[in-house]
Amino acid sequence: NAGVMQNPRHLVRRRGQEARLRCSPMKGHSHVYWYRQLPEEGLKFMVYLQKENIIDESGMPKERFSAEFPKEGPSILRIQQVVRGDSAAYFCASSIYTPGHSQETQYFGPGTRLLVL
Amino acid sequence: KQEVTQIPAALSVPEGENLVLNCSFTDSAIYNLQWFRQDPGKGLTSLLLIQSSQREQTSGRLNASLDKSSGRSTLYIAASQPGDSATYLCAVGETSGSRLTFGEGTQLTVNP
Repeated sequence: NAGVMQNPRHLVRRRGQEARLRCSPMKGHSHVYWYRQLPEEGLKFMVYLQKENIIDESGMPKERFSAEFPKEGPSILRIQQVVRGDSAAYFCASSIYTPGHSQETQYFGPGTRLLVL
Repeated sequence: KQEVTQIPAALSVPEGENLVLNCSFTDSAIYNLQWFRQDPGKGLTSLLLIQSSQREQTSGRLNASLDKSSGRSTLYIAASQPGDSATYLCAVGETSGSRLTFGEGTQLTVNP
């Protein structure tokens, strides 16, 4: 069972371009979370999605950022018109939820390191 | 708003020493607490997960405890090894399936 996969692992963009980050959850996992780690800071929650639904986007910046988790394919975190302050490591995590089952470990991918020039 | 604090921010110990990493959280109404390890430039590896109804969890040389009422958790590492050098992160989940709120981490260096 492959772990959480993220691609690309490194992404370089110039200011004003778009960045698309992909996350494939572990097999059988229907919950996906995106976190951002700014340089020298801790991980901050951005958004929580289930298939075709955004459950909690309270950590997403109000503009330029969007996320989706379609019925088929990976989850996508999209950043439009990137700025230097968007440079960070973006981590995706997935979990499996079974009603009445208490173990809900979040498994993290290796991250995508975005550098905005 | 939940806040998670980890002390110390950095720790350097000689190989073989037993050590304790501390984590505190402001809102005791948590669902679970996870300890992770992060190596430089890498992702996070889950070490231990403690449900709110549990007091501790053990895995090999690692033991994590949880005192929900006082808002504290500790990660105990026995007989530390250079390979344990990494940043250790504590994260709190407040409801079932919800986001995790992370501490800033403790950067551990185990010297041979």
